[in-house]
Amino acid sequence: SQQGEEDPQALSIQEGENATMNCSYKTSINNLQWYRQNSGRGLVHLILIRSNEREKHSGRLRVTLDTSKKSSSLLITASRAADTASYFCAIPFDGGSQGNLIFGKGTKLSVKP
Amino acid sequence: NAGVTQTPKFQVLKTGQSMTLQCAQDMNHNSMYWYRQDPGMGLRLIYYSASEGTTDKGEVPNGYNVSRLNKREFSLRLESAAPSQTSVYFCASRETGAPAQFFGPGTRLTVL
Repeated sequence: SQQGEEDPQALSIQEGENATMNCSYKTSINNLQWYRQNSGRGLVHLILIRSNEREKHSGRLRVTLDTSKKSSSLLITASRAADTASYFCAIPFDGGSQGNLIFGKGTKLSVKP
Repeated sequence: NAGVTQTPKFQVLKTGQSMTLQCAQDMNHNSMYWYRQDPGMGLRLIYYSASEGTTDKGEVPNGYNVSRLNKREFSLRLESAAPSQTSVYFCASRETGAPAQFFGPGTRLTVL
């Protein structure tokens, strides 16, 4: 399966701490995306990293991509209670020509005030 | 802009009943998608439409049909609902050439 696999499945931290989530995949990809899902809501696109990029930042988010290890990590710095959500990585399906994505099972992050 | 809207938000069906889930987007996107999400699982693609007038099967199409009514609307039909179709259904859309997908709020469906 091409599916991305997130690790850990669940993560509980205190407000102000950093949260790191990892995603591993099996095939070659040209990009990898991260999405957030608040409870009972749809997914929201957070950030995309291309295969020729090693690191990318967006506000308090930092994403890394290691194509040799077929893995990516999402770091949320100085977490807030509002960051409580599930986080999914997504990789292109079938080369990405149709824009279809394969989603992992997600990491459930709980940030305690 | 409302983005991607879905109706209904909740639905309870009996086994064998039929229903249509509606999805509309106002972003002028060409591509639209239907996913299902089950507890502890990622999203699984049911059907997609790369452009108006075209539809294709995704990973789990059995038991579903779709219609791309126009560029804005993409509906998902369950002809004879089964308990295994109890799930949360998400519609998404994407601009051609851009990788990010935009999701609706979901429809929570229970089949008894």
